[in-house]
Amino acid sequence: EIVLTQSPGTLSLSPGERATLSCRASQSLANKYLAWYQQRPGQAPRLLIYGASSRATGIPDRFSGSGSGTDFTLTISRLEPDDFAVYYCQQYGGSLLYTFGQGTRLEIK
Amino acid sequence: QVQLQESGPGLVKSSETLSLTCAVSGGSITNDNWWSWVRQSPGKGLEWIGEIHPIRGTNYNPSLKSRVTISQDKSKNQFSLKLDSVTAADTAVYYCTKNAAWCLDYWGRGTLVTVSS
Repeated sequence: EIVLTQSPGTLSLSPGERATLSCRASQSLANKYLAWYQQRPGQAPRLLIYGASSRATGIPDRFSGSGSGTDFTLTISRLEPDDFAVYYCQQYGGSLLYTFGQGTRLEIK
Repeated sequence: QVQLQESGPGLVKSSETLSLTCAVSGGSITNDNWWSWVRQSPGKGLEWIGEIHPIRGTNYNPSLKSRVTISQDKSKNQFSLKLDSVTAADTAVYYCTKNAAWCLDYWGRGTLVTVSS
């Protein structure tokens, strides 16, 4: 089973700043199998990025994904108030099919 | 745009069966697509439970496989989850989702299920 480890656990930044979130896999992944989600309080997760770097429908270009192999990154170029939420990475594959990281909480500094 | 809505009891007694339904609108569950259930509890984060396809069948999380059944009702355009012999560890928010290219692109709003003793 592939384990995803996200860092940092909590990231404190101000609106307008740049956020960089990390997701490390315990085994190498094909890029197409890595996705990112945003979850605001009281809401369901929302797909942001699939295939490691493709934005989902309606996602602003402030959000970008990159990486390969075992190291993947979600970057938010200029934080807006609505961006402060919890972010999860997710991989597809193996017997468990879909597994998620433990999340990074992005909070207002 | 596809919309999903979970429904079912919010309280289930320990050792009984949890039963939830996901109503799909804006798309047909008979299309060539997989549909999943995912749950979220404070202790375990997001956990994929299983998926169903109108033709290809089902796949389950190995850790839950002995207790889970996912089925579909094509006439009602909905799919369902049954989880047997529940314990407090099954208390969670349960989401139904539509699968896309190795990700989950549409989610229901979720429903909280609490297991009581």
